[in-house]
Amino acid sequence: AQSVTQLDSHVSVSEGTPVLLRCNYSSSYSPSLFWYVQHPNKGLQLLLKYTSAATLVKGINGFEAEFKKSETSFHLTKPSAHMSDAAEYFCVVSEKGYNKLIFGAGTRLAVHP
Amino acid sequence: GAGVSQSPSNKVTEKGKDVELRCDPISGHTALYWYRQSLGQGLEFLIYFQGNSAPDKSGLPSDRFSAERTGGSVSTLTIQRTQQEDSAVYLCASRQDPGQGVRNTEAFFGQGTRLTVV
Repeated sequence: AQSVTQLDSHVSVSEGTPVLLRCNYSSSYSPSLFWYVQHPNKGLQLLLKYTSAATLVKGINGFEAEFKKSETSFHLTKPSAHMSDAAEYFCVVSEKGYNKLIFGAGTRLAVHP
Repeated sequence: GAGVSQSPSNKVTEKGKDVELRCDPISGHTALYWYRQSLGQGLEFLIYFQGNSAPDKSGLPSDRFSAERTGGSVSTLTIQRTQQEDSAVYLCASRQDPGQGVRNTEAFFGQGTRLTVV
């Protein structure tokens, strides 16, 4: 069965410092993995997706994530946080042959001046 | 249209009334999902449609909830006899056929319908 665990419900960083949002997944088969961002009162936007072509995935706005099968992790990182990065971030898993998208509980990122 | 469209954007209804929420997916997308997001919570899966296959209704919280998708395009989520706990943002998403070879396609989300039951 698929599941997603986002290890931190809230993360707070200072502007210009690195961001790390942690995600672990459970999947019986080779999964598809996504990160979505939701800004306040906005819809969900895709940040990046894991396509099995490369373990390090680059997304929009300077974000990237690394797929580590041995650790069943797909952590989201950014070298330098910007105030506009403050939002809710969701890690999502979709299993091959099983099309339901399973969302993590979300991580709220706060960025301080 | 260019994206997933949901209507209405906001709906206030009295407890016990029925409501219908509409979703227009991206043209050509065969997969359609409904999710529910309660205040400060993650996304709760409700139902999934894929082409002409029987929908996956495993996430519907009670028999007051139902959904249909006509002609493989527009979908309507109906909540009968609404309760206060039904208050949430209802999100619709569509996705290119996630069959073999395109399983990594992302879902595109609408802006949601904010339902308030008073």
